[in-house]
Amino acid sequence: EVQLVESGGGLVQPGGSLRLSCAASGFTFSRFWMSWLRQAPGKGLEWVADIKQDGSEQSYMGSVRGRFTISRDNAGNSLYLQMNSLRVEDTAFYYCVRGDNWAYDYWGQGTLVTVSS
Amino acid sequence: DIVMTQSPLSLPVTPGESASISCRSSQSLLYDTGNNHVDWYLQKPGHSPQLLIYLGSNRASGVPDRFSGSGSGTDFTLQISRVEAEDVGVYYCMQALQYPRTFGQGTKVEIK
Repeated sequence: EVQLVESGGGLVQPGGSLRLSCAASGFTFSRFWMSWLRQAPGKGLEWVADIKQDGSEQSYMGSVRGRFTISRDNAGNSLYLQMNSLRVEDTAFYYCVRGDNWAYDYWGQGTLVTVSS
Repeated sequence: DIVMTQSPLSLPVTPGESASISCRSSQSLLYDTGNNHVDWYLQKPGHSPQLLIYLGSNRASGVPDRFSGSGSGTDFTLQISRVEAEDVGVYYCMQALQYPRTFGQGTKVEIK
């Protein structure tokens, strides 16, 4: 059974940093693109970043480029999102998601990041 | 960025009847392979989103055949035949042709 379990969310002040982690199990992690997507409370879905199977390519949404870094550890079956210079508008549930066939086929339960003073 | 526009934004449905959600993209999602790079997701209340349809018309694993996706180019439709109570939630279309990936606003389906 595919499982994606996020951790690392919490309350942080504007300008602060946070590192999200995702523990993957139930599939061969190194064979899939992985992604982070987010959803502000009560709002719609928003794609944040993708990373290729071997970590050699990453893509980011415009408003986080230069502030967020997606990375992975294939040996440890883990995905990460380092978030720096956080803004109030980054407040959201962050989902760890598996990519396959140009779609996002498995989603974690999400971890809440709240940016507030 | 590609803009995805869904309609309607709210859809009351009667169990057993069919329902249809439209999604329009600001540019063609048809790739050289002949596939349309549009996916459909459902977010049930209190749950993470789940994939329903990928590449325009392919049902994801475990998705009932009551769900079907159609369309090409810039106009796409998600059809739900014989709506059941468990189908309530917010439905999103998403384009997977180029970065950044973008979603429609969401269509809230509720039982009448």
